[in-house]
Amino acid sequence: DAGVIQSPRHEVTEMGQEVTLRCKPISGHDYLFWYRQTMMRGLELLIYFNNNVPIDDSGMPEDRFSAKMPNASFSTLKIQPSEPRDSAVYFCASSPWRDNEKLFFGSGTQLSVL
Amino acid sequence: GENVEQHPSTLSVQEGDSAVIKCTYSDSASNYFPWYKQELGKRPQLIIDIRSNVGEKKDQRIAVTLNKTAKHFSLHITETQPEDSAVYFCAARGRMDSSYKLIFGSGTRLLVRP
Repeated sequence: DAGVIQSPRHEVTEMGQEVTLRCKPISGHDYLFWYRQTMMRGLELLIYFNNNVPIDDSGMPEDRFSAKMPNASFSTLKIQPSEPRDSAVYFCASSPWRDNEKLFFGSGTQLSVL
Repeated sequence: GENVEQHPSTLSVQEGDSAVIKCTYSDSASNYFPWYKQELGKRPQLIIDIRSNVGEKKDQRIAVTLNKTAKHFSLHITETQPEDSAVYFCAARGRMDSSYKLIFGSGTRLLVRP
């Protein structure tokens, strides 16, 4: 298994532009998580899905952020419009049903909003 | 909700010495405590975990101890090697808002000097 796959690895955009981050979880994993990592705030949980259904989005900073999981093998995190303070590394992680506390992280997307 | 504090923020040790990282948590109902290692520019990876019904767990040179009464847990690395240099995150699985989720500490940057 290739593990959790995220794209792009790096994204540089200008303030006001729409940004879409993509994630393919490990096949067979029922849970998918989106985390944001910054120096100031560390690893923050933004949202997580169970069987493609959003369970908890209380960590999503504001309405500019949205996440979808149209099927078991794909999820997106969208920021529209983007702002410089959104600059961070965004990690996607997945976990299996039986050990859903054990997160398998993707390589992350380094987002820079200028 | 759960809050996890981690100390120290940076730790420098001589190769071969031991390293200890400590975390405290606030929610007495938290029941799962993992440790993740993140090398520079890489994804966080689970290295060891412990559940609330166990006081200590060991895996080769790393061990984790849990004191439920005091609500703290620690990571111990013995015979440190340069490849142990990384950022280490503790986490606790507790209830926040409407669901259980992993809450991460702020991280400890460990430097092992050759």
